[in-house]
Amino acid sequence: NAGVTQTPKFRVLKTGQSMTLLCAQDMNHEYMYWYRQDPGMGLRLIHYSVGEGTTAKGEVPDGYNVSRLKKQNFLLGLESAAPSQTSVYFCASSLPGVSGEKLFFGSGTQLSVL
Amino acid sequence: AQTVTQSQPEMSVQEAETVTLSCTYDTSENNYYLFWYKQPPSRQMILVIRQEAYKQQNATENRFSVNFQKAAKSFSLKISDSQLGDTAMYFCAFITSGTYKYIFGTGTRLKVLA
Repeated sequence: NAGVTQTPKFRVLKTGQSMTLLCAQDMNHEYMYWYRQDPGMGLRLIHYSVGEGTTAKGEVPDGYNVSRLKKQNFLLGLESAAPSQTSVYFCASSLPGVSGEKLFFGSGTQLSVL
Repeated sequence: AQTVTQSQPEMSVQEAETVTLSCTYDTSENNYYLFWYKQPPSRQMILVIRQEAYKQQNATENRFSVNFQKAAKSFSLKISDSQLGDTAMYFCAFITSGTYKYIFGTGTRLKVLA
């Protein structure tokens, strides 16, 4: 009963380095999301996907790219990391929002950019 | 724009006492859903309670209950008989029926004191 799995859990990058965060869900959910959590700012939506092969920008998309080649996976990429991207990143998934379905969250990735 | 406001950044309560966390939201829609999520130090996001806007009856889950005031656009969370395990960050969230974007508040950090 894995639910939503994020890898890695922790990562330290130097400014300018690149990395990819992987999110996998085994619940056959259509919708997937990437959020970042910063102190005093709650959860802010970076990118989201409403189905395989489709992605869209959220509230704070600059500096990030995403891909959803398979329904169960949603990747978040940082091409050239900046200190402002130091944050905790959460992946989440849900069924289509017809009935206000709850979000299922991964356990988060703590990213530090030095 | 739809917004969620949590005006109490931090709160504390004595063990076994009752505490209320406030949340207000702004929307012009009539059909929507409201949530309270708990984030303990483990960082995992856990759904505490969900409320359907078309239901006048306040949702309850064991020691957790809400006071939903639709006209005032208020959705407060009451925790009765507070326990040390209730120490966590609490997020209020909102989604309009038929959409995919969840809107989160900035969170309230609750500390339960022994």
